[in-house]
Amino acid sequence: AQKITQTQPGMFVQEKEAVTLDCTYDTSDQSYGLFWYKQPSSGEMIFLIYQGSYDEQNATEGRYSLNFQKARKSANLVISASQLGDSAMYFCAMREGYAGGFKTIFGAGTRLFVKA
Amino acid sequence: EAGVAQSPRYKIIEKRQSVAFWCNPISGHATLYWYQQILGQGPKLLIQFQNNGVVDDSQLPKDRFSAERLKGVDSTLKIQPAKLEDSAVYLCASSLDLGTGVYNEQFFGPGTRLTVL
Repeated sequence: AQKITQTQPGMFVQEKEAVTLDCTYDTSDQSYGLFWYKQPSSGEMIFLIYQGSYDEQNATEGRYSLNFQKARKSANLVISASQLGDSAMYFCAMREGYAGGFKTIFGAGTRLFVKA
Repeated sequence: EAGVAQSPRYKIIEKRQSVAFWCNPISGHATLYWYQQILGQGPKLLIQFQNNGVVDDSQLPKDRFSAERLKGVDSTLKIQPAKLEDSAVYLCASSLDLGTGVYNEQFFGPGTRLTVL
């Protein structure tokens, strides 16, 4: 089974509008972390936002917010007031423990296109 | 503060040849990661170093891939011999923390795009 599922290969959004990128995850651990990274065409992954499994409030970082629904195992990224520079690949990731330590597992990504 | 440096940025080789990638993490970062990102997929961890010791290399194809982090600073990843399916972007990342908890902010380099013909 996929640990991290991003069902939207590509998304379009009009500049200045909000967009939601979906992410569902699968784990039996009680303690885990959820991350979103942005990957522009330059290649490097840029950390955007983090949500811990025990955090009661949804994480926010500027125009980014994470809609965390623990019972549904979803961690959707919401980008408000989209900008042209937001066009990029976005990866959802989960960090969980295993016998040897901790590991971060990435989803397949969603490509976001922001239209002027 | 300088970011994670990687070289080369691009490499084209023929199958069965050898190739090496270099990574210099952010100064002071204890943990270094090498990922393989195949086109259309998310990054997959190949190996994780904590200082100069290997923490996790469970997904490293050890018959052809090797990596070292001498002196706990920069690192090299080698493929010998390369196969067609090794065509991918190889990302290096580092983190200040030891990578032993659920919170772990990783800083990535620009990657090396490898094409194996």
